[in-house]
Amino acid sequence: AQKITQTQPGMFVQEKEAVTLDCTYDTSDQSYGLFWYKQPSSGEMIFLIYQGSYDEQNATEGRYSLNFQKARKSANLVISASQLGDSAMYFCAMREATNFGNEKLTFGTGTRLTIIP
Amino acid sequence: EAGVAQSPRYKIIEKRQSVAFWCNPISGHATLYWYQQILGQGPKLLIQFQNNGVVDDSQLPKDRFSAERLKGVDSTLKIQPAKLEDSAVYLCASSLVGSFTSSYNEQFFGPGTRLTVL
Repeated sequence: AQKITQTQPGMFVQEKEAVTLDCTYDTSDQSYGLFWYKQPSSGEMIFLIYQGSYDEQNATEGRYSLNFQKARKSANLVISASQLGDSAMYFCAMREATNFGNEKLTFGTGTRLTIIP
Repeated sequence: EAGVAQSPRYKIIEKRQSVAFWCNPISGHATLYWYQQILGQGPKLLIQFQNNGVVDDSQLPKDRFSAERLKGVDSTLKIQPAKLEDSAVYLCASSLVGSFTSSYNEQFFGPGTRLTVL
């Protein structure tokens, strides 16, 4: 089974509108975390936002917020007031502990977001 | 603060040839990761170093891939011999620590090396 599922391969959104990128995850661990990364055409992965499994409030970072629904195992990214510069690939990733106690990130397949002027 | 450096940015080789990628992590970061990102997929961890020791190489195809991190700083990833399916972007990342703790441990990524195997 996929640990991270992103069901939207691509999305087109009008500039200044809000957009929600979906992410569901699968884990039996109690302690884990969810990241969202942005990957522009230059290729570098840029950290956007993080939500820990024990965090009671949804994470927010500027125009980014994470809609965390633990019971449904979803961690959707919401971008408010989208800008042309938001056009990129977006990846959801989950951090877990391995059997050796180190941290491991598992990424989804990504969503390509295109902002239309 | 300088970010994670990688070279080369692009490489084109014939199948069965060998290739090496270099990564210089952020100064002071003990943990270094190599990821493989095939077109249309998310990055997949190949190997994780803590200082100069290997922590996790469970997804590294050891018959053809090798990696080292001498002196716990720079790292090289080698493929020998390359196959067509090795065409991908190879991302290097680093973080302060690699152990799983209650607070998150941000991984900082380099620009990647795009490998094309013909």
